[in-house]
Amino acid sequence: AQRVTQPEKLLSVFKGAPVELKCNYSYSGSPELFWYVQYSRQRLQLLLRHISRESIKGFTADLNKGETSFHLKKPFAQEEDSAMYYCALRGNNRLAFGKGNQVVVIP
Amino acid sequence: DTGVSQNPRHKITKRGQNVTFRCDPISEHNRLYWYRQTLGQGPEFLTYFQNEAQLEKSRLLSDRFSAERPKGSFSTLEIQRTEQGDSAMYLCASSLQGSATEAFFGQGTRLTVV
Repeated sequence: AQRVTQPEKLLSVFKGAPVELKCNYSYSGSPELFWYVQYSRQRLQLLLRHISRESIKGFTADLNKGETSFHLKKPFAQEEDSAMYYCALRGNNRLAFGKGNQVVVIP
Repeated sequence: DTGVSQNPRHKITKRGQNVTFRCDPISEHNRLYWYRQTLGQGPEFLTYFQNEAQLEKSRLLSDRFSAERPKGSFSTLEIQRTEQGDSAMYLCASSLQGSATEAFFGQGTRLTVV
């Protein structure tokens, strides 16, 4: 079975402050990890994937297999980062999502 | 918008009625997924197709639910004898086959059973 855990539900940060969203996973195979984002009144869209090892919109995430984590980080939050963020694991040809984090960036 | 399209966007139905949702994936995508999302939860997998073949169904998909993708293009999700617990956002996604490929999501169909 595959499971994704995102412990915090709501995260409020001031503009310019760092953001870190935690994601832990459980999966017996080799995981593929993703972060999806949903801005207000928009569809769910891919933010980044662990295999790309890239920074998107200033966000980065590193897969730590020892800690089974894939935390999302951004050093300086911007107002446009306010959104729902979902960590997802692909295994057995499906995506398993965490419950999501609501990020509110305070101007 | 050339992305994944879902219709209708909203559906209100009375308990016991049948409803059908449609999903049009990105044209070259051979994989199509259905998810359900309830308030405060992330999307939960329901089923997926590779071309016209339904390859997997979640235990969440009770006998009242049926999905089809007859020609390997658009898909329909039907719920028979709807219950209040079926109220949710139903999301469709499509992707190419292969590892690490991105799944593109539709806007979803919000079902309210009254």
